Amino acid sequence: AQKITQTQPGMFVQEKEAVTLDCTYDTSDQSYGLFWYKQPSSGEMIFLIYQGSYDEQNATEGRYSLNFQKARKSANLVISASQLGDSAMYFCAMRVLNRDDKIIFGKGTRLHILP
Amino acid sequence: DSGVTQTPKHLITATGQRVTLRCSPRSGDLSVYWYQQSLDQGLQFLIQYYNGEERAKGNILERFSAQQFPDLHSELNLSSLELGDSALYFCASSVGWLTGELFFGEGSRLTVL
Repeated sequence: AQKITQTQPGMFVQEKEAVTLDCTYDTSDQSYGLFWYKQPSSGEMIFLIYQGSYDEQNATEGRYSLNFQKARKSANLVISASQLGDSAMYFCAMRVLNRDDKIIFGKGTRLHILP
Repeated sequence: DSGVTQTPKHLITATGQRVTLRCSPRSGDLSVYWYQQSLDQGLQFLIQYYNGEERAKGNILERFSAQQFPDLHSELNLSSLELGDSALYFCASSVGWLTGELFFGEGSRLTVL
C-alpha cells in the first residue's frame, strides 16, 4: 500500500534561514508523482511543486525546491530564504501513475517562521 | 483563486441529519476529488471521479456518497451525521486522470452538534 510519512509535526525556523521539510514515501510502483502543498491558517490548499519519478532533475519553483532521492524514497521540500509568510502547514502527497487516481497525503508539518 | 468553487462554506447541523456539499471544478478539468480534513489532521482521501465515472475510492463511509454530473460538478452527500463527521471537506480538481496537479476549493466546514 502507498504511504506518505512526514516525521516533523512542527518546526521553528528563524526568518531568512533555509528550511528543509522531510517527506518519505512508500510504493512498489515505478511511475509516480510527488507534490507539496501549503495550507496557511486561512485554510486553503496551495500547490507548490511537483516531481515525477522519472524526472532527472530536481524540481524548482522560485524559492521552493524538491530534493528528490529516489533510492531513499524521500522527497524533501527546501524553502530558501524563509519569510514570515511561509508560516503554514505543509503537506507532501503522492499519486501512483498506473492504478486508481488516489492521491494520498501525509499528516503534514507545521512550520513557524520566527522574526 | 483556484477556480474551484465549493458551497456552502460553512454548515452547522445536528446529529442524524443529512447534508449535501457541492463542488464546481475549474473550467476544463475532468477529475474531481473529495477529501476530509479533521482538526489538526492530514487530508483523508474519500473518492475521485473522472468525467462522470467513479475511478478511485478511499476511506469513505457507507453513510457518505458522491456523484459527478454531466456538467462535471460534483456533490458529496453525508447522511446520518455523527459528531465525528465534523471536519473541513475539500473538493479538488485536475485536468485529467493520472495527470495534473490538484487545484483545491476553499473547503466546506461542517459542524455537527
